[in-house]
Order: sequence, then structure tokens, then C-alpha cells
Amino acid sequence: GVTQSPTHLIKTRGQQVTLRCSSQSGHNTVSWYQQALGQGPQFIFQYYRKEENGRGNFPPRFSGLQFPNDSSELNVNALELDDSALYLCASSLGPLAGDTDTQYFGPGTRLTVL
Amino acid sequence: DQQVKQNSPSLSVQEGRISILNCDYTNSMFDYFLWYKKYPAEGPTFLISISSIKDKNEDGRFTVFLNKSAKHLSLHIVPSQPGDSAVYFCAASAIRSGANSKLTFGKGITLSVRP
Repeated sequence: GVTQSPTHLIKTRGQQVTLRCSSQSGHNTVSWYQQALGQGPQFIFQYYRKEENGRGNFPPRFSGLQFPNDSSELNVNALELDDSALYLCASSLGPLAGDTDTQYFGPGTRLTVL
Repeated sequence: DQQVKQNSPSLSVQEGRISILNCDYTNSMFDYFLWYKKYPAEGPTFLISISSIKDKNEDGRFTVFLNKSAKHLSLHIVPSQPGDSAVYFCAASAIRSGANSKLTFGKGITLSVRP
């Protein structure tokens, strides 16, 4: 399945953070979501074949990478208090799945910004 | 502007009865719909999906119905079991018209199944 690390993280405002994700075997597309308390997950961006393939309404200080083994990183610079949330990674077949691309989620990383 | 709406925040059902979870959407470009189940401290788990070319999809105790004209879908769980107690998210994507398969989620419904 999809794995994420670390499980929990505490940072202070202004710091930088890197979150990691390993895709499900055979999946070449990774998507990142932010879930605030009481809300549904919000799309941050998607990576396919190491290129960003769509971005949600998040500022440039949210950036990502996808590696040759299809694992991925989410980097957030200049952390703000509102960045405190559960960060979810999802992997899928992407364009290879055609019209029914189903995303499978990891357990998430809980980020707290103080 | 919420494009996927789950208007009821919670639902309580007796074990063995049917649970019906509703979801409405506003974006007519959505063509693939999914339901996820989420326990506390875990990521969402995929349950069932439906393409816009269908109006029903069934998998064991779970059935999803899609009414495109009303922009409404529902998840039926029969019979409901205490282990079904969780938060259920409705999600949608516009795969055919979009560049990617990004998901737009509702806020979720908390289902409680009473023994």
C-alpha cells in the first residue's frame, strides 16, 4: 500500500518541512492533499512521471518532487500556523487508468505548526 | 464555493438496517465519483466508485447510485454493521475534461451504527 513518513511532526512558524510518500506498487501518479480539522481533503498538486500535473489553490511555498521509483516529497517553506493539518498522499495509475483513475491514500502525516 | 456537498454531518442507524449517505455536486464536468471511508488517525480507504456512464454500481453490501440530472449520488450500506461506524467522504473528479484526476471532496458524514 501507500506509506508516509513521518507520522507526526511539530514545527515552529517560519521553518521548513519535508514530508515523504511511497506509492503503491505499479502506480506512477502521486497526489497530495491537505485536510484541515472538520473538512474534506483539499488537492495540493499531482505528479506524473516526475512532472507536476495540476495544482490546487496553494501558494508556491508548497512544492513537490517525484523520484524515479515514483516515491514523492512534499516541501513546505516558511510555515504558517494555518499549515497545521493532516497531509495525505495518494497514488494511482494516472493516465493509464483512463476515465476511472482511483486514488489510494496513505495514513497521512499530522503536521502541527506552533 | 463547495462543488461537492454532504449536507448532513452525521447519521445514526441501527445495526442490520440500511444506511443511506447522500452527496450533491454542482460541477457538471465531474464524470467519476468515489466514496471513501475514514477511521480516526488513518487515511481514507477507497470503498466504491461509479463512472458517469452508469447509474448504479454494487460491491457486496455497498451500492452507489448516481442521478446525473439531479447531480446527486448516494451510498447504500445493507445491512449496516457496527464496524461501518466511520466518516464517509464523497469525492469527484473531471477526468475526461481535466488534465488530471484530482479529487474534490465533500466535508464528510459521520456514520454511527448502533448495536
